[in-house]
Amino acid sequence: DIVMTQTPLSSPVTLGQPASISCRSSQSLVHSDGNTYLSWLQQRPGQPPRLLIYQISNRFSGVPDRFSGSGAGTDFTLKISRVEAEDVGVYYCMLPTQFPHVGVTFGPGTKVDIK
Amino acid sequence: EVQMVESGGGLVQPGGSLRLSCAASGFTLSSHTMNWVRQVPGKGLEWLSYISSSSIKYYADSVKGRFTISRDDAKNSLFLQMNSLRDEDTAVYYCARGWLDFDYWGQGTLVTVSS
Repeated sequence: DIVMTQTPLSSPVTLGQPASISCRSSQSLVHSDGNTYLSWLQQRPGQPPRLLIYQISNRFSGVPDRFSGSGAGTDFTLKISRVEAEDVGVYYCMLPTQFPHVGVTFGPGTKVDIK
Repeated sequence: EVQMVESGGGLVQPGGSLRLSCAASGFTLSSHTMNWVRQVPGKGLEWLSYISSSSIKYYADSVKGRFTISRDDAKNSLFLQMNSLRDEDTAVYYCARGWLDFDYWGQGTLVTVSS
């Protein structure tokens, strides 16, 4: 099965400073249609997860442009250009899988908080 | 506005059953793949099951044979029938829309399995 790892697992950040989260998979994430469906979710304290980024680098509706995604193959990155107080929470990478089983794999999560 | 509201959670004894519901509004549930995802409080996300628009169903190994996903198109609702519940099934259960990415999530319902 595909294993997703995230680094760091915890990221204390100064307000206004950038933050970066890495997501690495144990296998290449290219779907059978040629696309890579790596997405990023944000979960604020006490809230359900929320889609931030889909297909590696596309911001979902309403997501501020300080969030950006990049990567290819097995290595992906979520960047926050200038952290704001409302960005505190846990960030998960997510990947739908086809082989060996149909399912979804989530990364373990990265907690972002303010120094 | 897309909204999903889960209900049906609560306290149940080990070996018992529970049926969760996810009432959708703002979109036609049967036109989308729908999922159940759970989260042990303070822990990460675990995908459990999906039902496609054509009613194809998949399950995670952890719940296969015990949980059943279904939907009622007339009620625009998604369900998760959970049988043979175990202590480790204690979690917040979310419904989420989509497959290649989960674009909308409900607020979640807490299931506690305890004697």
